[in-house]
Amino acid sequence: DIQLTQSPSSLSASVGDRVSITCRASQSISRFLNWYQQKPGKAPKLLIYAASSLQTGVPSRFSGSGSGTGFTLTISSLQPEDFATYYCQQSYSVPDSFGQGTKVEI
Amino acid sequence: EVQLVESGGGFVQWGGSLRLSCAASGFTFTNYWMHWVRQAPGKGLVWVSRINSDGSSTTYADSVQGRFTISRDNARNTLYLEMNSLRVEDTAVYYCARFASYQTTALQRTFFFDYWGQGTLVTVSS
Repeated sequence: DIQLTQSPSSLSASVGDRVSITCRASQSISRFLNWYQQKPGKAPKLLIYAASSLQTGVPSRFSGSGSGTGFTLTISSLQPEDFATYYCQQSYSVPDSFGQGTKVEI
Repeated sequence: EVQLVESGGGFVQWGGSLRLSCAASGFTFTNYWMHWVRQAPGKGLVWVSRINSDGSSTTYADSVQGRFTISRDNARNTLYLEMNSLRVEDTAVYYCARFASYQTTALQRTFFFDYWGQGTLVTVSS
């Protein structure tokens, strides 16, 4: 099974900050990497698919990069509504595994 | 508007059974593979099971293999998860999710969960 490791597990940031979250895969997954945002008590929401493609309706301050085993989600200017937990997920092979999550806090 | 609405969660004793449902609307259900993903209280997302568009192929996480059964009724636009021999560690919010695809190159297609239900809580007591 492919393991995904996110770092950091949590971070504190302020409105307007540039924030980056890293996801490392235990083996190469090409660009089969997706990013989700989850707020407390809510379902996850797709932000980025195929490593760098922005899902329709997602603000352009969100971006993704990487391929192979290393990936990054960047929020260029953190907004109040962005405080949430972020998960990476690979669709290269079954099981479709998730990272452990990164909580972005004030 | 795409909607996925789960139901069937609740409180059950260790060793008991429960059937979850996920009613889909707003899209052509038969065109999509569907998945179940769960989240234990305060923990991360864990993939549980998937089923192909016509229900002929299913896959399970090792932790639920032999105890859970995923199925679908395409006439009713509904996804199911039959859970037997429930354990305390199965306590979680269970989400159904639509599995969408995107053609990235002429030879390659990528996949992702583009819509999720609101989740239904399953609590297993000892």
